[in-house]
Amino acid sequence: DTAVSQTPKYLVTQMGNDKSIKCEQNLGHDTMYWYKQDSKKFLKIMFSYNNKELIINETVPNRFSPKSPDKAHLNLHINSLELGDSAVYFCASSYGQGARGYTFGSGTRLTVV
Amino acid sequence: AQSVAQPEDQVNVAEGNPLTVKCTYSVSGNPYLFWYVQYPNRGLQFLLKYITGDNLVKGSYGFEAEFNKSQTSFHLKKPSALVSDSALYFCAVRGPGGSGYSTLTFGKGTMLLVSP
Repeated sequence: DTAVSQTPKYLVTQMGNDKSIKCEQNLGHDTMYWYKQDSKKFLKIMFSYNNKELIINETVPNRFSPKSPDKAHLNLHINSLELGDSAVYFCASSYGQGARGYTFGSGTRLTVV
Repeated sequence: AQSVAQPEDQVNVAEGNPLTVKCTYSVSGNPYLFWYVQYPNRGLQFLLKYITGDNLVKGSYGFEAEFNKSQTSFHLKKPSALVSDSALYFCAVRGPGGSGYSTLTFGKGTMLLVSP
């Protein structure tokens, strides 16, 4: 059983399109995250939800909108995609504020053409 | 705000030799420190963590890390490297973000290449 699963694994789309990435965890964690890994492999947090409530919203363009229907799911919707959005997006989850660490999904590679 | 420095972009080591991947950190309060590994086209896998206790922490796949408070370092080590250890290694520190909630801040990663 996959602990943190993301879909799709690969996403190729044209500029200006709107797309969504889904994430689900079956670990019973109460906090979920979206991280962006750029072409230089640098990881930067985007958002975090705790029990469906947004607790962290870093300086991300408002074209990015996370949604958490319940504490096991955190989806990421991106409007009006731009070339610079091309990256690997990782979902992660943890208990509380992550003192024991995070569990990561396998990533979604987004390519905007 | 917390930060992590991994001074080496790449570490090369021959199979069977010991390896060290360096990490230094900056955080207010007691540090929570982590090492993750990323294999090509895969997600990040947890290796080990330091929260409190012994300065030498043992983790997965034979890896260990040494916490040094005075040097604010948390170097990753393995006594005998394997070719299969070749991957990208990330050091991370948990600390408060702008909202007051704690998150993991990652270093830029160090590529470990183990030659046969």
